Amino acid sequence: DTAVSQTPKYLVTQMGNDKSIKCEQNLGHDTMYWYKQDSKKFLKIMFSYNNKELIINETVPNRFSPKSPDKAHLNLHINSLELGDSAVYFCASSPWTGESGANVLTFGAGSRLTVL
Amino acid sequence: AQKVTQAQTEISVVEKEDVTLDCVYETRDTTYYLFWYKQPPSGELVFLIRRNSFDEQNEISGRYSWNFQKSTSSFNFTITASQVVDSAVYFCALSDPGGSYIPTFGRGTSLIVHP
Repeated sequence: DTAVSQTPKYLVTQMGNDKSIKCEQNLGHDTMYWYKQDSKKFLKIMFSYNNKELIINETVPNRFSPKSPDKAHLNLHINSLELGDSAVYFCASSPWTGESGANVLTFGAGSRLTVL
Repeated sequence: AQKVTQAQTEISVVEKEDVTLDCVYETRDTTYYLFWYKQPPSGELVFLIRRNSFDEQNEISGRYSWNFQKSTSSFNFTITASQVVDSAVYFCALSDPGGSYIPTFGRGTSLIVHP
């Protein structure tokens, strides 16, 4: 059973389109994340959700919006796609350990977005 | 400011060589956590180890070992007798209260092990 699953794995689209990437975890974790990995492999946090509440939102464009219908899902919606949005997007989840900070992330396989 | 620095962008070794991947971190907090993750060519990110700031004991797991030194703010990773299957990008990460305990990653070190 896949612990953190993302769909689609590959997404090719035109500039200006709107797209979504779905993420689901079956680990019973309380916190989910979206990271963006650029062409140089740099991993940058985009969003984190804990029990359906946004707990951190890095300075990403408001064209990006996370949506969490329940604690097992955190979907990423992107409006008006731009060339610079091309990247691999990783979903992850972790148990919430309060403020202990010992959050080991379990990652999905990644979704490669290519904007033409 | 970058909180996790992996100065080695790419390392190339021949199989059976030992290799050390460097990680230097920056935090104002006394309680924090450090991690290493592996990203093989298949692309998935795999957790390797977690260390808290109060535990400076070095750890060994098979051919992998980690050296945590608070005095130099470093958390280095050594692979002994490297193998081709060790070829991957390795990421060091930091989780601290100042960052809301969201893991911040270094830029990664690409390790290439040649047969």
